[in-house]
Amino acid sequence: GNSVTQMEGPVTLSEEAFLTINCTYTATGYPSLFWYVQYPGEGLQLLLKATKADDKGSNKGFEATYRKETTSFHLEKGSVQVSDSAVYFCALSSDYGQNFVFGPGTRLSVLP
Amino acid sequence: EAQVTQNPRYLITVTGKKLTVTCSQNMNHEYMSWYRQDPGLGLRQIYYSMNVEVTDKGDVPEGYKVSRKEKRNFPLILESPSPNQTSLYFCASSFGGGHPSSGANVLTFGAGSRLTVL
Repeated sequence: GNSVTQMEGPVTLSEEAFLTINCTYTATGYPSLFWYVQYPGEGLQLLLKATKADDKGSNKGFEATYRKETTSFHLEKGSVQVSDSAVYFCALSSDYGQNFVFGPGTRLSVLP
Repeated sequence: EAQVTQNPRYLITVTGKKLTVTCSQNMNHEYMSWYRQDPGLGLRQIYYSMNVEVTDKGDVPEGYKVSRKEKRNFPLILESPSPNQTSLYFCASSFGGGHPSSGANVLTFGAGSRLTVL
């Protein structure tokens, strides 16, 4: 079946550092890929997505590129802020959205 | 405001006492789903529904029931809760179906319901 693997946290960075959170997936067909973010005490919210190979999703300075050849969707940000502290989930959905699979989440802490 | 509303947000109960966690969305979404979040395991799907009167099991359905009598509501029922159902529960919805590039499969989540079973 479909699965998502992402790097274990927690990740602790200083403000303005470069961020990479690795995500790889296993899926049949042509899944859509997502990064969701969960701030303390809140539900998950969509950060960015990509629906086909070589697509780049971007939002709030975060980027991720759908790499079919390496089955990866790594999240990057050039300069993190304290307000980026949260848990980040990589996820995929099957062709027509009825089967979402989430990774275990990576907790990011950004220190001033 | 477009949202998914869950209640209660926090609940402490005892083993065997039936409970229902309600979920309602105001976006006319066809697809609704329940997840539980446990440390180190991420989100695991419990049940999902593609439309009214259509429900299906996710990865961890044991001990749970759902119903979808109306499009906007998708309650999660624990008939006889046990301590291993202590968790953080999320309801989510989307338009579902359609081509992925349309955005139909983007999930909107509720704020979560933290359940403790003693």
